[in-house]
Amino acid sequence: NAGVTQTPKFRILKIGQSMTLQCTQDMNHNYMYWYRQDPGMGLKLIYYSVGAGITDKGEVPNGYNVSRSTTEDFPLRLELAAPSQTSVYFCASSYSQGASQPQHFGDGTRLSIL
Amino acid sequence: GENVEQHPSTLSVQEGDSAVIKCTYSDSASNYFPWYKQELGKRPQLIIDIRSNVGEKKDQRIAVTLNKTAKHFSLHITETQPEDSAVYFCAAIYTGANSKLTFGKGITLSVRP
Repeated sequence: NAGVTQTPKFRILKIGQSMTLQCTQDMNHNYMYWYRQDPGMGLKLIYYSVGAGITDKGEVPNGYNVSRSTTEDFPLRLELAAPSQTSVYFCASSYSQGASQPQHFGDGTRLSIL
Repeated sequence: GENVEQHPSTLSVQEGDSAVIKCTYSDSASNYFPWYKQELGKRPQLIIDIRSNVGEKKDQRIAVTLNKTAKHFSLHITETQPEDSAVYFCAAIYTGANSKLTFGKGITLSVRP
């Protein structure tokens, strides 16, 4: 059981480049989330999805896009990379948004924009 | 929206002592409060959670207490061990439609051998 798998683990981008962070889960979870984690700032929600075909903005969506064409996959797209997007990105999934349905996190993608 | 604050930002204890990490939340409608542990360079992992209809929950050396009136909840770790050293995040959510989990900024716990 792989759980939540994120690729790549590390990436360095130049300002203005674009890239897609991949996230896939094999737990048949309906809910999926993208967070960014900056040092000392906790986890900030970028986008989330309650099921295939449905996505919604979180707290810090600017500069990012997502899609959810299947239950398993929830890629995060950076169109024009900026230094402010240097961060560690975590994808997570849960069966529902309800109590006792913990979010399961991937190992993260460490992204540097230079 | 919900605002979750954690105090203190760092905590250092001697091995074997107890550690208490406190969080406050702002939305009185919040009804689910999980705690996540994140070891250095690793993913956050759920260690314990509590619902608003329960005042306390225990799991071996860890426990969580909830005070709905004061809108705060605390993580208690007894007989601390070096492997308890990590960043601990509290979070809160009202488990209704379109609600989102709000995390605190995290507390770094260091257990001195």
